Amino acid sequence: GQQLNQSPQSMFIQEGEDVSMNCTSSSIFNTWLWYKQDPGEGPVLLIALYKAGELTSNGRLTAQFGITRKDSFLNISASIPSDVGIYFCAGHGRSGGGADGLTFGKGTHLIIQP
Amino acid sequence: ETGVTQTPRHLVMGMTNKKSLKCEQHLGHNAMYWYKQSAKKPLELMFVYNFKEQTENNSVPSRFSPECPNSSHLFLHLHTLQPEDSALYLCASSQDRRRGEQYFGPGTRLTVT
Repeated sequence: GQQLNQSPQSMFIQEGEDVSMNCTSSSIFNTWLWYKQDPGEGPVLLIALYKAGELTSNGRLTAQFGITRKDSFLNISASIPSDVGIYFCAGHGRSGGGADGLTFGKGTHLIIQP
Repeated sequence: ETGVTQTPRHLVMGMTNKKSLKCEQHLGHNAMYWYKQSAKKPLELMFVYNFKEQTENNSVPSRFSPECPNSSHLFLHLHTLQPEDSALYLCASSQDRRRGEQYFGPGTRLTVT
């Protein structure tokens, strides 16, 4: 089935550094979303993007909906320990029809080194 | 209770058992979803319900049987599962199936022995 290519798979960073991750697809989506999942919990919605080229911020998080509608990126500025977790991109409303559910990437595991 | 709740949080069952997972959303949403999250794999959509009607079955084996009695509650009935069905089962809801913003519950960690 359709999958999103999310990279990097994992990131080892120092506290205070900026983080960037991205997601690409072979299909066009109408909505791109970014989630964060902590161990033992469900994914939590961080940002939703609805228009090609849209740039949206949520605190230290910034995400963009690619112009081609086939990609998105997420930036985290000045990382802090509580940013540790797995970040997932997801697409919704695939062009040409398809699932009502979300199509997910495999996740980016963010690890902050002391 | 707020958001999306799931019970039980953990479940261990044998291959011949029958059990059910429960999900309840307190957000006034009209669409509900079941996802499966296995190690090393992306979250996989299983079922979609919109206004209590099933709108999608993503080729899920019949040993998984969903039920949606109203827009706030969703069940997943399990019977004769296999060890490879062990995973985190996540429930989500959205305003309706056209909206991409889905809100997830904490999941049920299922182990099939």
